[in-house]
Amino acid sequence: GAGVSQSPSNKVTEKGKDVELRCDPISGHTALYWYRQSLGQGLEFLIYFQGNSAPDKSGLPSDRFSAERTGGSVSTLTIQRTQQEDSAVYLCASSPLGPGLYGYTFGSGTRLTVV
Amino acid sequence: GQQVMQIPQYQHVQEGEDFTTYCNSSTTLSNIQWYKQRPGGHPVFLIQLVKSGEVKKQKRLTFQFGEAKKNSSLHITATQTTDVGTYFCAGPLGRQGGKLIFGQGTELSVKP
Repeated sequence: GAGVSQSPSNKVTEKGKDVELRCDPISGHTALYWYRQSLGQGLEFLIYFQGNSAPDKSGLPSDRFSAERTGGSVSTLTIQRTQQEDSAVYLCASSPLGPGLYGYTFGSGTRLTVV
Repeated sequence: GQQVMQIPQYQHVQEGEDFTTYCNSSTTLSNIQWYKQRPGGHPVFLIQLVKSGEVKKQKRLTFQFGEAKKNSSLHITATQTTDVGTYFCAGPLGRQGGKLIFGQGTELSVKP
């Protein structure tokens, strides 16, 4: 597609429920990233996929968070047993090659609210 | 660990005044990127600087990369209301590049 597509745009869930957030990167972009942005805060790195390499999961805040990227394209970020502190905007980005070599193109994000 | 720090956190200016935000890294960066996030929007890539001492301009925006490649600045001349938003700098984490680590951003508001 023309840009990075994320769905849903908004998600309200009850504490303790699982949620899945989807990211469809720009076609041909080999690198895909997930970041989290809390209200008025900066961007917190979560996970990074580069081609067929093992993902860099060093930013995942707990084992309740996981992500996968199927076929080198679409990615899903899963949060199990959601907590109120998980409320944030989850941003996905993609770039043609590895990090720092090209600018990221971000999606519009998924605003997650845990009630 | 490696950090990227930005100052100021907030800047309020009168339309037509200049604006500068500063970015400092605790380690040498291979390159630095700048992004703009409009209120309610997502970050949009502005530019990347790679060379020591590099200066790039985009209309009223001037970007600089320090000689030691540990700091950078973004200067906007004669701000307009369309400049409103949060400006982030970001640098690759680690020797191999790794993921981008973002500064906390500078939020710019412009009073007409």
